[in-house]
Amino acid sequence: EDQVTQSPEALRLQEGESSSLNCSYTVSGLRGLFWYRQDPGKGPEFLFTLYSAGEEKEKERLKATLTKKESFLHITAPKPEDSATYLCAVQAGENFNKFYFGSGTKLNVKP
Amino acid sequence: GAVVSQHPSWVICKSGTSVKIECRSLDFQATTMFWYRQFPKQSLMLMATSNEGSKATYEQGVEKDKFLINHASLTLSTLTVTSAHPEDSSFYICSAVRAETQYFGPGTRLLVL
Repeated sequence: EDQVTQSPEALRLQEGESSSLNCSYTVSGLRGLFWYRQDPGKGPEFLFTLYSAGEEKEKERLKATLTKKESFLHITAPKPEDSATYLCAVQAGENFNKFYFGSGTKLNVKP
Repeated sequence: GAVVSQHPSWVICKSGTSVKIECRSLDFQATTMFWYRQFPKQSLMLMATSNEGSKATYEQGVEKDKFLINHASLTLSTLTVTSAHPEDSSFYICSAVRAETQYFGPGTRLLVL
């Protein structure tokens, strides 16, 4: 069964304390893995797309990496404004309109 | 680029009335749009896939007669909640697909009294 699991469910960091969020997946025929940021009461904001194992992408304090089984979202020296829920989604299979979402990691960065 | 809008951003209505929510891709054309529902502190729940020019595909357990979806053009999809009841109160989010990536709207908060 195709599945996407994110961990941890919640993460509290002090400002400047680097960490990583995990997204593991079991799908057939990965087409792409997506990371989104969602603030309370808003729609998810697109961050990255990763297509193949070994690929990395960076944006400011965020860096996403991909292996054959999982993806990591590394947050370097986070700031309070990085507090949000981070969602991972996988596009897989022959139906390119099929996306599987994880349940998200809620990140809280304290000043 | 890849901006998606939703209207209205919030709506309050009486039980039994119908509510229409619009989802527009502002700077690109989208053959496919998705409609999600999100409950507090929970992840996105896919309701249906909307394809321009054809009938929407609903997820299991979603009543198609209750949640009417019309994808009238390559930039507009609408979700109509018919005969809304308090249990339909929720945060509704749409997304539009460009280059196999979903771009989300800001969401519509519906409160049914």
